[in-house]
Amino acid sequence: GAGVSQSPSNKVTEKGKDVELRCDPISGHTALYWYRQSLGQGLEFLIYFQGNSAPDKSGLPSDRFSAERTGGSVSTLTIQRTQQEDSAVYLCASSFASGGITGELFFGEGSRLTVL
Amino acid sequence: QQQVKQSPQSLIVQKGGISIINCAYENTAFDYFPWYQQFPGKGPALLIAIRPDVSEKKEGRFTISFNKSAKQFSLHIMDSQPGDSATYFCAAARYGQNFVFGPGTRLSVLP
Repeated sequence: GAGVSQSPSNKVTEKGKDVELRCDPISGHTALYWYRQSLGQGLEFLIYFQGNSAPDKSGLPSDRFSAERTGGSVSTLTIQRTQQEDSAVYLCASSFASGGITGELFFGEGSRLTVL
Repeated sequence: QQQVKQSPQSLIVQKGGISIINCAYENTAFDYFPWYQQFPGKGPALLIAIRPDVSEKKEGRFTISFNKSAKQFSLHIMDSQPGDSATYFCAAARYGQNFVFGPGTRLSVLP
């Protein structure tokens, strides 16, 4: 696709349920990032995938959060046993980085999660 | 070490005025400094970016000024327009690592 695609765009769930958020990065982009943005707040780093390297999971807030990236392309962010404080917009971004040059970061429109 | 500080938190400018947003970083290994613009309900979009080998970059009404020795960079929006009203995030990155974002500045340009 032309840009980073995220689904669903909106998700309403009940406390305690599991949710999966999907990200389709720009074709050919080697790096994929997940960020979380609470209402009116900044961008909180969650996890970063770069090629075949082990992901940087240092931003995941708890062990209820996990993410995988299959085949170096599509990524899924899973939140288990959702809590109300998980309500936020989850943003995915991708970039192409090679030769030691940091690439531009392109964001999707986000998945808005509401936990009731 | 990994933080990026950004100020002001909010900014109100008259149409035609100059908007200035400042950022500061600590990690001298950062090699890429972008600015993102975000409208309500949308994902952030790259506005302009600079690498540390230059001190200034201009694209239309938008200019980044970069001071490597002070570890600071700023965004200047000339002839600010109501359509520029958005939240602006500065960021810093180094190859092979995640992007670190400032907390954002909410800009309002009055007609």
